[in-house]
This record gives sequence, structure tokens and C-alpha cells, in this order.
Amino acid sequence: DTAVSQTPKYLVTQMGNDKSIKCEQNLGHDTMYWYKQDSKKFLKIMFSYNNKELIINETVPNRFSPKSPDKAHLNLHINSLELGDSAVYFCASSQMIAGVFQETQYFGPGTRLLVL
Amino acid sequence: RKEVEQDPGPFNVPEGATVAFNCTYSNSASQSFFWYRQDCRKEPKLLMSVYSSGNEDGRFTAQLNRASQYISLLIRDSKLSDSATYLCVALSYGNQFYFGTGTSLTVIP
Repeated sequence: DTAVSQTPKYLVTQMGNDKSIKCEQNLGHDTMYWYKQDSKKFLKIMFSYNNKELIINETVPNRFSPKSPDKAHLNLHINSLELGDSAVYFCASSQMIAGVFQETQYFGPGTRLLVL
Repeated sequence: RKEVEQDPGPFNVPEGATVAFNCTYSNSASQSFFWYRQDCRKEPKLLMSVYSSGNEDGRFTAQLNRASQYISLLIRDSKLSDSATYLCVALSYGNQFYFGTGTSLTVIP
């Protein structure tokens, strides 16, 4: 059983298009994340949601819009794709403990986005 | 300055060797620390948490030095299957995970 799943795994698209990546976790966790890993392998957080509410919103272009319909899902919509958006996007989830500390994160398999 | 810094390597070691990775973090208020492993074209996976008293899991030993703000990972008796990128992670009081850029390890037959 896949704990954190993402679709699609690969996404090749033209500049200027709009695309969405979906993420689902079946771990019962209350916190979900989107990360971007660039060609230099640096993993940088983009957004975090706790119980469907945005709690972390790093400096990300507003072309990127996350949406959490429920605490098991966190989708990422990207408008007007640019060449620099090419990267691997990882979804992750974790569980808040006592409202403060968190256990470690579990990652999805990643979505490899290539913008041409 | 990055929150978490690691030597990117690469480290190329023969099978059976002992190898150590170090990592430094800038936020003295960071609360928890972890080592993750990432294989080529795969997602990061938790290798082990790092406790103040140091902890061991088989051939892997993790240490935390809060005074010097560094974390270490020691791998004994390296196996070919240990070849991967090892990511150092710090969890801040803002409940945000900061990842290092990773240290690449290749174990050579």
C-alpha cells in the first residue's frame, strides 16, 4: 500500500501552460507539504498545510497555488509554466504531536516536471 | 546563509570502510534532527532520528552536538547498498523542516 502517492509521476509540457499535480496520503497525518528539488538536488519547502489550513508559505511565485480539499489531499496548481519551474516536486506528510512537535516526514515518489 | 549545511562530497569509499558525514545548522533553537537517505531518482526516506545522547542503529551511529550546532552520521563496514545521498535535516520551532543539500556516497567494490 502506498502511503503517500502523487500523480502524475512525469509531466512534460510547454511554457505558458497550466498544470496540476495531485497528492494523497493514507497515513492519517494532519500535515502535508510540497517541496521542490532542483537540478542541484537542493530540497526546498514551498508550502505546508495543517488540517487543510496553510501554515507555511515560502517565497514562491503566486503562479503556484496549493489547495487542500481535505487533510488527506494536497494538490498543487501551477499557472503560466516557465522553464525554471522544471524540477522534481515532492509531496510529504507528517503528524503534529501536541500541536507543536512533529514526527518525521514521509515523502511521495515525486513528480518530474519538464517545461519546454 | 543556509539553515543546514553539508559537505556535498562526493565520498568514494571501498567496501568495509568507515565513513563519517558532518552537518551544521544555524538556528540554535532547532528542536529535532534527522538523517534521510535519497537514492537516485527516488524520494528521501528517513534513515534515523538524531538524539542528544547519540543513537545507534546497526552499522549507523548518529550524534548531535548542540553546543557546536553540528550533527554527524557514522557508517561502519560500508556496503555497496549504502551508496546514496544522505540528507541532514533540522526541524525548527516553526515546525518547518530544513534540508541540507546532501552528501553523496559511493561505496566501491
